[in-house]
Amino acid sequence: QSALTQPPSASGSPGQSVTISCTVTSSDLGDYKYVSWYQQHPGKVPKLIIFEVSKRPSGVPDRFSGSNSGNTASLTVSGLRAEDEADYYCFSYAGNNKGVFGGGTKLTVL
Amino acid sequence: EVQVVESGGGLVQPGGSLRLSCAASGFTVSHNYMSWVRQAPGKGLEWVSIIFSGGDAFYADSVKGRFTLSRHNSNNSLDLQMNSLRPEDTAVYYCVKAYCGGAGCYPWYFDQWGQGTLVTVSS
Repeated sequence: QSALTQPPSASGSPGQSVTISCTVTSSDLGDYKYVSWYQQHPGKVPKLIIFEVSKRPSGVPDRFSGSNSGNTASLTVSGLRAEDEADYYCFSYAGNNKGVFGGGTKLTVL
Repeated sequence: EVQVVESGGGLVQPGGSLRLSCAASGFTVSHNYMSWVRQAPGKGLEWVSIIFSGGDAFYADSVKGRFTLSRHNSNNSLDLQMNSLRPEDTAVYYCVKAYCGGAGCYPWYFDQWGQGTLVTVSS
């Protein structure tokens, strides 16, 4: 069982905002500030969209934003577009030179 | 152009061994942090191993003692030696370069992904 829990699914209509959560469920998780998010379209390679909780790599639209509150990190996608339909994964450094992914969330654009 | 290309996947029997390779271009592997991430068919991502620029390698508990990550500076590549393979090791294995920005490189943010190589462990 993953130490990071994500909802299996999320959905929203075009133009709306959707937030995906990533909750720490293991007390062994280390420095939780090193959180990143990845987008994966079906049959494609994952893409880094958020790092260090809230920073975006060059080229990632500002419709994607990240935040952190307590033991939960969140990814918000604003102004939903059809092309945002994908699987989203959170990742965190777990201490002791190990890392862990969340189970993933399938985002559906209605 | 930064690129990583994996090779070496295939079908192997339980208990067998396989060596995956990752060829890098457009950057120097010995100056970067490199990881392997795998994805079982229809499942989520799982971090497998990381090698730091200093050469130290670390592993997920699920593969520790069975997998060995090494780096070959002469040909700018990595190898992931996988021994005592189990059916649950069946997955697409991705070689990934860590993100590097203006402030430096970050070992735990996975930026440049290869296309992956499929490993199937089955009798």
